[in-house]
Amino acid sequence: EAQVTQNPRYLITVTGKKLTVTCSQNMNHEYMSWYRQDPGLGLRQIYYSMNVEVTDKGDVPEGYKVSRKEKRNFPLILESPSPNQTSLYFCASSSPRGGYGYTFGSGTRLTVV
Amino acid sequence: DAKTTQPTSMDCAEGRAANLPCNHSTISGNEYVYWYRQIHSQGPQYIIHGLKNNETNEMASLIITEDRKSSTLILPHATLRDTAVYYCIAFSGNTGKLIFGQGTTLQVKP
Repeated sequence: EAQVTQNPRYLITVTGKKLTVTCSQNMNHEYMSWYRQDPGLGLRQIYYSMNVEVTDKGDVPEGYKVSRKEKRNFPLILESPSPNQTSLYFCASSSPRGGYGYTFGSGTRLTVV
Repeated sequence: DAKTTQPTSMDCAEGRAANLPCNHSTISGNEYVYWYRQIHSQGPQYIIHGLKNNETNEMASLIITEDRKSSTLILPHATLRDTAVYYCIAFSGNTGKLIFGQGTTLQVKP
């Protein structure tokens, strides 16, 4: 089944403890992206990647890092999480071959205390 | 990327067609109109996209005006499961930036 898989689905962590949210897609998509969703602020893009080793900042990149060493994986790294990064996170992927329609993962609900 | 404007909320009776409008008066020639929806806190779901011509798939139809300044997403026979937030987005494949607005909350009522 074509899908974007995020892990974990739920995570509670403490301020300052480094964490990684993994994202993997099995559709051979070139484009991948991370979003966060907060009440009243909607979906905001954190980082995106148009191919391996190519990443760019979205609208809210502060406090996050990403890497794209392989086509299928696009992990989101929080080096020193803070409570204002408590949010619902979505990973997505797409391809020009598929008309750029993004497929989204099921989400990761992160709480930083 | 062009800004899109959508009504905040709409209601539709179950079984009737739901017509969701979107204005994108500053859309550029290489930007497509994309529609996504999000049910509760699930990941957004791609519905349909188009450039100039009207498009139809198993989920919906997309009508784009000739001047491309607005479009309408049509769900031909809305069901309760179509209750969701619907996002209209102008997107160019030249960049990876897919920017979501506030969307339209569609409530399908029995």
